[in-house]
Amino acid sequence: GESVGLHLPTLSVQEGDNSIINCAYSNSASDYFIWYKQESGKGPQFIIDIRSNMDKRQGQRVTVLLNKTVKHLSLQIAATQPGDSAVYFCAEKGGSQGNLIFGKGTKLSVKP
Amino acid sequence: KAGVTQTPRYLIKTRGQQVTLSCSPISGHRSVSWYQQTPGQGLQFLFEYFSETQRNKGNFPGRFSGRQFSNSRSEMNVSTLELGDSALYLCASSSRGLGTEAFFGQGTRLTVV
Repeated sequence: GESVGLHLPTLSVQEGDNSIINCAYSNSASDYFIWYKQESGKGPQFIIDIRSNMDKRQGQRVTVLLNKTVKHLSLQIAATQPGDSAVYFCAEKGGSQGNLIFGKGTKLSVKP
Repeated sequence: KAGVTQTPRYLIKTRGQQVTLSCSPISGHRSVSWYQQTPGQGLQFLFEYFSETQRNKGNFPGRFSGRQFSNSRSEMNVSTLELGDSALYLCASSSRGLGTEAFFGQGTRLTVV
């Protein structure tokens, strides 16, 4: 069936280090992916997106990599800061209705 | 530019009651999608409205319904509430609809007792 999953449910990094959050997806027909950040008590916040015709996209301190061969998505955060502590979700446009399907999330904890 | 606004932020209801949640999208956005978020199931798609029409629907029972007004504001209704309906209900607005960049509100935390 359609599913989006995460390799690591929790990730703890030192402030200033780089973080890598991984995501596997199962629908090879998915053509659009988004990363969201959700802080406690808030709704998901858009971070960055990528279309399937690209394999890399960079934003401010974040980079998304897409490997369609192995159906893998990753989010790299450079120089991780305490404010980056949150749950990160990947989402794919792959639902039967064309809706976004979300992974379970990875909790990122940044140690000062 | 104001973000997505959801009201109320918190609700406590009793089993069997019904509830209506409201979402005001970003100005100019015509698509509003609703999601249910629970610890066990994560974020699950409920339905999407675009220009006052329900365009897509997820796998939720008919107790979950919604509508969209001409100003793009949307409401979601849940009838005959069950304990399992306790969740964070999120709405997301976008200019072009499902599968495109969507912006979420802070959600309505519904607790059914």
